[in-house]
Amino acid sequence: GAVVSQHPSWVICKSGTSVKIECRSLDFQATTMFWYRQFPKQSLMLMATSNEGSKATYEQGVEKDKFLINHASLTLSTLTVTSAHPEDSSFYICSATVTGTYNEQFFGPGTRLTVL
Amino acid sequence: AQSVTQLDSQVPVFEEAPVELRCNYSSSVSVYLFWYVQYPNQGLQLLLKYLSGSTLVKGINGFEAEFNKSQTSFHLRKPSVHISDTAEYFCAVIPTGGGNKLTFGTGTQLKVEL
Repeated sequence: GAVVSQHPSWVICKSGTSVKIECRSLDFQATTMFWYRQFPKQSLMLMATSNEGSKATYEQGVEKDKFLINHASLTLSTLTVTSAHPEDSSFYICSATVTGTYNEQFFGPGTRLTVL
Repeated sequence: AQSVTQLDSQVPVFEEAPVELRCNYSSSVSVYLFWYVQYPNQGLQLLLKYLSGSTLVKGINGFEAEFNKSQTSFHLRKPSVHISDTAEYFCAVIPTGGGNKLTFGTGTQLKVEL
């Protein structure tokens, strides 16, 4: 149980285009989902926290208009990188949690974004 | 606020040797503690967690960790490593009393050599 999927697993896009990444909890309902960014050989940096049906809470320094997060249902959250540029190239990981289960986070396999 | 320190950025070890990956944390409140493993180009997989009870926690793949409250440590150990254990290991904490943000350490690259 507690499986989280991400789609796509990797994506290459041209500079200036937008890219959408999906995060799904496959066998549970996630009240909260998190989006992380990871640079090579570094730790995970929390970008934002999203709760189903409400606006995402972004961490300091993360551009809300650049990284659009939608958590429309208890099993799906999306991250859209708008007008992507090469500096947005990174590994993006989502996680999902259920309130009441000591807040354990279940992680997706990640999405490798390369912006040319 | 919480912080997690993983002093060793890289740990080389020979196959079948024991290994210890160190983790220390700082927090003004009590925390739950976790160890995650990340293989190249993959997400994080939970190795083990400490919530309460026995301070010695056993996880998957033969790993174990011991919670030491007085030293605010949660070191990860394995008595005999395999090549397949080569990966990045992250220690993380989350407050017990609410809030849901994980605080991660900077990670330790375990490299197992023949």
